[in-house]
Amino acid sequence: EDQVTQSPEALRLQEGESSSLNCSYTVSGLRGLFWYRQDPGKGPEFLFTLYSAGEEKEKERLKATLTKKESFLHITAPKPEDSATYLCAVQADSGGYQKVTFGIGTKLQVIP
Amino acid sequence: DVKVTQSSRYLVKRTGEKVFLECVQDMDHENMFWYRQDPGLGLRLIYFSYDVKMKEKGDIPEGYSVSREKKERFSLILESASTNQTSMYLCASSIPWGGNYEQYFGPGTRLTVT
Repeated sequence: EDQVTQSPEALRLQEGESSSLNCSYTVSGLRGLFWYRQDPGKGPEFLFTLYSAGEEKEKERLKATLTKKESFLHITAPKPEDSATYLCAVQADSGGYQKVTFGIGTKLQVIP
Repeated sequence: DVKVTQSSRYLVKRTGEKVFLECVQDMDHENMFWYRQDPGLGLRLIYFSYDVKMKEKGDIPEGYSVSREKKERFSLILESASTNQTSMYLCASSIPWGGNYEQYFGPGTRLTVT
């Protein structure tokens, strides 16, 4: 069974204090690993897709990396507006259906 | 930009009522999905559809049904609402080809069943 585990569950940072969120996964036939941002009471907003180990993608203060077992979302010099829950998800081949499994998320709070 | 809209942001229904949640996407995506999101459980797939009139059960289909009569519209139906169906419901869409499998989500419907 595909599994996605995110850590930590919650993270509190001072503005400008860089850190990383972790997403470890167990899946056969990885098609893609996704990162989403979700603000309270809203739907997840797509950030990145990573397809193969060694791949990296960047967007503003966010950088996502992928290995064969985990992905990291690095946040450089975060600002209060980066506060949100960050979700990781993996898509794998599963009986011909492209199933997506989501982690529970890391709730990030950036303090001014 | 992909736009996925849901018919209601907040909904309050009574136990036993039939509830319809509607989702519309404007990007001509083949795949559409319904999830529910609960604290500590994350997003769980209820049903998905890969074409008009086609549907597949997800992980938690019990108590729900779906309808997809047009490509852009995917409806979730709670046949007889129960209190354990109080949740945040999220609709998503994606394309099944070209290597871009990411899903795009709507704003969500917060359903309370009393």
